[in-house]
This record gives sequence, C-alpha cells and structure tokens, in this order.
Amino acid sequence: EAGVTQFPSHSVIEKGQTVTLRCDPISGHDNLYWYRRVMGKEIKFLLHFVKESKQDESGMPNNRFLAERTGGTYSTLKVQPAELEDSGVYFCASSLGVGELFFGEGSRLTVL
Amino acid sequence: GDSVTQMEGPVTLSEEAFLTINCTYTATGYPSLFWYVQYPGEGLQLLLKATKADDKGSNKGFEATYRKETTSFHLEKGSVQVSDSAVYFCALIYNQGGKLIFGQGTELSVKP
Repeated sequence: EAGVTQFPSHSVIEKGQTVTLRCDPISGHDNLYWYRRVMGKEIKFLLHFVKESKQDESGMPNNRFLAERTGGTYSTLKVQPAELEDSGVYFCASSLGVGELFFGEGSRLTVL
Repeated sequence: GDSVTQMEGPVTLSEEAFLTINCTYTATGYPSLFWYVQYPGEGLQLLLKATKADDKGSNKGFEATYRKETTSFHLEKGSVQVSDSAVYFCALIYNQGGKLIFGQGTELSVKP
C-alpha cells in the first residue's frame, strides 16, 4: 500500500514568487494534516482537513497560505507570495478516523 | 500554552553506547505522548507512544516512560547502532484526531 506522498521534495524559489505543494494521503484516509518545520525548530501544526472540509486551520500563519482539498482526496498548499521566513520543511500526514498519523517525507521549501 | 522541550542536539555517540534523549512537556490536561523518528530521506515515523501516566512505550529497543510527576518522557536505548542515526521528535496530543504538538527535534549520529 502506498504511503503519504508529497511533491515536490524540494523547491527553490525567489521571494515574491508562488509555490504549490501537493500531498496525496493514504487511500481511504479522511483526515489530512499539514505541518511545518522552520529552521530546525519544532514541527508546528498548520491545519487539519476532514474529507474536503477544514476542521482546524488555527496554525495557518497568515493569508499568504491557502490550503485546499477538493474532492476530499489530495491536498495542495499554496504560498503566495512567498517570503524568506516561509523556508522550511512542510510535512503532510493522514489518518483513518482517530488513528495513528502517517507522515510523508516532507517538501523542503527554500525562499531566496 | 502546551509545549514540548527536547534536549539540544546534535548528539554523537559510538556504536553500542547508551542513549538518553530528554523530553519534558507542559500541558494543562493529560495528553498522550509520542516519539517520532525521521531517518535520512524518509518521512516521520511513529517510534513509540504512551497514553497514560506510568505507561512505558517500547519499540526497536527504544523505551520511554510517561512520568506525570516530572512531566517527562525521556527516550532511552541500551545499545545504539549506526542505523539509529536519525532525528527524533517528542510530541503530545490530547485526543486522537487532534493536533500533535512537537518538540524541536534531536539529531542523533551514531559512529561505528
């Protein structure tokens, strides 16, 4: 069974540009989460989808970040326009009901 | 607010050495506690967990005991291997399906 997959694995963009990260959860997992690790610090929660609905988006840093999960399958996280402080590793995770979270490998974003 | 604090890394050990990675938490309630591990080039994986005070989680030779009196969940292994080289994250959650609160991660490097 395929795990959580994330794309791209690494993205390097200029300040002010736009980047879209994609996450494909494990098939059948209704819960999808985005987390971020900035500059080797703690991993912080961004938001939680249940199917296509945003259950909790309290961790989204500002309105430059837009997450979607159309159809309740894959999710995208768009950063527009990107700033230097957005650099970090963005992790996606999925779970079945209230079970264990399964994480992807992360997408490393570098903003120059 | 709730938080998790881990010992600073990187930690460098020789093979077969004893490992302790300290983790303490601040929480208003009674969370479940976790250790996640990220091996090079891979996603975060659940290593072990404990859901209530005095529970001991164990996996792959690693152990951690949920100590409510000291609000700690230290990770230990009696004899580390080169293959244990990874970043280790301590985390808490109040209820499954909620959001994980992570520590900053501790990088472990084991030399042959």
